[in-house]
This record gives sequence, structure tokens and C-alpha cells, in this order.
Amino acid sequence: GAVVSQHPSRVICKSGTSVKIECRSLDFQATTMFWYRQFPKQSLMLMATSNEGSKATYEQGVEKDKFLINHASLTLSTLTVTSAHPEDSSFYICSALTGGGAPETQYFGPGTRLLVL
Amino acid sequence: AQSVTQPDIHITVSEGASLELRCNYSYGATPYLFWYVQSPGQGLQLLLKYFSGDTLVQGIKGFEAEFKRSQSSFNLRKPSVHWSDAAEYFCAVGSRRALTFGSGTRLQVQP
Repeated sequence: GAVVSQHPSRVICKSGTSVKIECRSLDFQATTMFWYRQFPKQSLMLMATSNEGSKATYEQGVEKDKFLINHASLTLSTLTVTSAHPEDSSFYICSALTGGGAPETQYFGPGTRLLVL
Repeated sequence: AQSVTQPDIHITVSEGASLELRCNYSYGATPYLFWYVQSPGQGLQLLLKYFSGDTLVQGIKGFEAEFKRSQSSFNLRKPSVHWSDAAEYFCAVGSRRALTFGSGTRLQVQP
């Protein structure tokens, strides 16, 4: 149980184009999903919290107009990198929060590697 | 503000040897504590978590961790390491929702 998928697993795009990354909770519903960014050999940095049916909450320093987040259903959140530039190249990982009465746990997707040329 | 320190950036152990990865945290309230493992190019897999109760927590793949409030630590242990355990290990602390990750410890396993 608690499986999270991401699509695509890797993407290469030209500078100036937009890229959409999907995060799906496959066997549970997630009212909250998180988007992280990870640079090589570094830890995960939280970018934003995605709440189903409402606006995402962005961490300080993360441009909300550049990283558009849509959480349209209880199993899907999307991250769109708009007008991508080479400095946006990174490993993007999402997680989904299990709910219910027990303390919640984040389960992570396999990540999406973005390379902007 | 909450923070997590993993003092060891890189650890090498021989296959079959015991392992302990250190994690120290700073948190204002009773923390929720997690250990995740990441293989190269992959997402994070939850190894174990501590919310309350017994301070010795058993996880998957033969891992365990012990919460020591007096030392603000949550060290990960395994009695006998397998070559497949080579990966990056992250300790995380948080409230019900927001997690703060340590910088990670890379584990290498020698044959």
C-alpha cells in the first residue's frame, strides 16, 4: 500500500519551454501532497505544499509563478515548470500524505529528473 | 526552528558488519521522526518512523532506530549489513505534516 507514482521519470526540454510533472497516489487518497527539489548529492528542499481544492503554499524563495501547482483531485497533483531555464535542471520529488486517525506519513514518488538545455 | 543533523556524510562498512547512522534533531515539541532510504536516481523509501510509545522502533529490511529524548537523537542501526543496503539515508523530523530532512549519509558496503 501507499504507492506514489510520478510521470515522467525523466524529461529533457529546451530553454523557454514549460514542463508538467504528474504525481499520483495510486492506492490511497491524499488531500495533501508535497513537492521537493533535490540537487546532486544534497538533501531534499521543500518547494511547496499542495492541497486538494485550494491554492498551494509555497516555501520562501520559491517563485509561485514559475512553479505552478495544481491539485485537482485526491489522487493527482501536477507541477508545471514554466519557461524553464538551465538552472531549473534538478531532481523533483513529490510525496503524498496519508490521512486518517493515525499520525500522517509522507510517501514519496520515484522522482523526475529534469534537464533543461 | 526545527533542524536535523546527520554528522556522517559518508560511511563505509564491510558486508556482514553492524551499522549505526547518527541523527540529531532540534525540535520544540515532541517530534515525529523518520528514516528514509534513497537509491541512486530513485525516490525515497520509508524505513521506519517514531511517533510515540516504545522508543525502539523496528523497520523494514532489518533496520531499527532508537529515540533518545535526552540526547535528541534517533540513530539508525542494522546488525548485519548487506551489499544491497548501499544507498543514501535521510533522517527527517517534523510535525504532523511538514518535514525537515538531514543532509543525508551515503553508505558504501565493501565485499
